[in-house]
Amino acid sequence: GEDVEQSLFLSVREGDSSVINCTYTDSSSTYLYWYKQEPGAGLQLLTYIFSNMDMKQDQRLTVLLNKKDKHLSLRIADTQTGDSAIYFCAERAGAGSYQLTFGKGTKLSVIP
Amino acid sequence: DSGVTQTPKHLITATGQRVTLRCSPRSGDLSVYWYQQSLDQGLQFLIQYYNGEERAKGNILERFSAQQFPDLHSELNLSSLELGDSALYFCASSVEGGGDRRETQYFGPGTRLLVL
Repeated sequence: GEDVEQSLFLSVREGDSSVINCTYTDSSSTYLYWYKQEPGAGLQLLTYIFSNMDMKQDQRLTVLLNKKDKHLSLRIADTQTGDSAIYFCAERAGAGSYQLTFGKGTKLSVIP
Repeated sequence: DSGVTQTPKHLITATGQRVTLRCSPRSGDLSVYWYQQSLDQGLQFLIQYYNGEERAKGNILERFSAQQFPDLHSELNLSSLELGDSALYFCASSVEGGGDRRETQYFGPGTRLLVL
């Protein structure tokens, strides 16, 4: 079955880079997403990557995908206090499947 | 602002009661998804509607039901509520069909349900 794993906590100093890791088990996953949830708020789509890519960069965000190891990472450069939030990795299986399977989320704490 | 709206924002009710949560998708989106976020289960997919028809079902209890109306808004009905149904319920929408951008789900702010 589908399973998405993330570490629960990450603490970094302001200005450092943050790397949030995620592993998934469904080899048919074709789309992988990162969402951000701030306290008391909904889920904000940060970025996504498709399985035919191994890297995607979007301003301070870099997503790396290792399909062989089923490993996804989100790197946030120059982490700011406003980046403190819970980050969710999510996968969507292939054609015909549209629901997302989420990890439990990684709580990122940025120390000023 | 994702463009997905949900009402109400908060809901407090008692066990055994029935509630209805409402979602309006982004303009142009045909698919609506419902997710439940709880502390113990995390974020779980409940059900998906596409252009008025049920498309996929996840971990949705028999006490829960949903529908999507001709104007594409959706309602999630939760009945015979139990304490364990207390959670944040999210609605998401997507265009659903063709092209990479269209596959993205955009989430609403959620409805926080507290069952006492």
